[in-house]
Amino acid sequence: DAGVTQSPTHLIKTRGQQVTLRCSPKSGHDTVSWYQQALGQGPQFIFQYYEEEERQRGNFPDRFSGHQFPNYSSELNVNALLLGDSALYLCASSPGTSGISFGPGTRLTVT
Amino acid sequence: QQQVKQSPQSLIVQKGGIPIINCAYENTAFDYFPWYQQFPGKGPALLIAIRPDVSEKKEGRFTISFNKSAKQFSLHIMDSQPGDSATYFCAATPHYGQNFVFGPGTRLSVLP
Repeated sequence: DAGVTQSPTHLIKTRGQQVTLRCSPKSGHDTVSWYQQALGQGPQFIFQYYEEEERQRGNFPDRFSGHQFPNYSSELNVNALLLGDSALYLCASSPGTSGISFGPGTRLTVT
Repeated sequence: QQQVKQSPQSLIVQKGGIPIINCAYENTAFDYFPWYQQFPGKGPALLIAIRPDVSEKKEGRFTISFNKSAKQFSLHIMDSQPGDSATYFCAATPHYGQNFVFGPGTRLSVLP
């Protein structure tokens, strides 16, 4: 049973560019959340998707947007990249009634 | 109120020792408290979790102690091993389906 998968593993972008990160949830999970983890810090909640709609949102600007597809997979889009957006982006899935499972993350470097 | 505080920032113990990591929260709406273990280059993995209706939970070598009145909880690792060297995060959420608030993490090193 595959866990949460994310792509790509690593990504290097230039300031001002746009990036799309992808996530496939664990089998049987219908809720997907995205977290940003800066180096040496704990994950911070970006937003959560359920039934293809954004259900909750953390304290992140509108440059961060997402989407959930009918097969529950999800994308995170970040526009107008800033140096401060460099981080590990974690996707987490859950069946909505128990703890979340994290993917391995996508390491984004903005230069 | 959404913050979860965690200490110490780093911890070094000898093999067989019992490292203890402490967390505190303010939001009384939190009702699910998991601990995650993260190795370099990997995503966090759930270790053990507790709800505030119990004061202690054990799973293998890992124990959570929970003090609802003090709004504090802690992780104890019994008979620690070098393979336990990782960063540990406490977290809290008001409901399974809600977002998780994470502590800043504790980097544990277990010396052989």
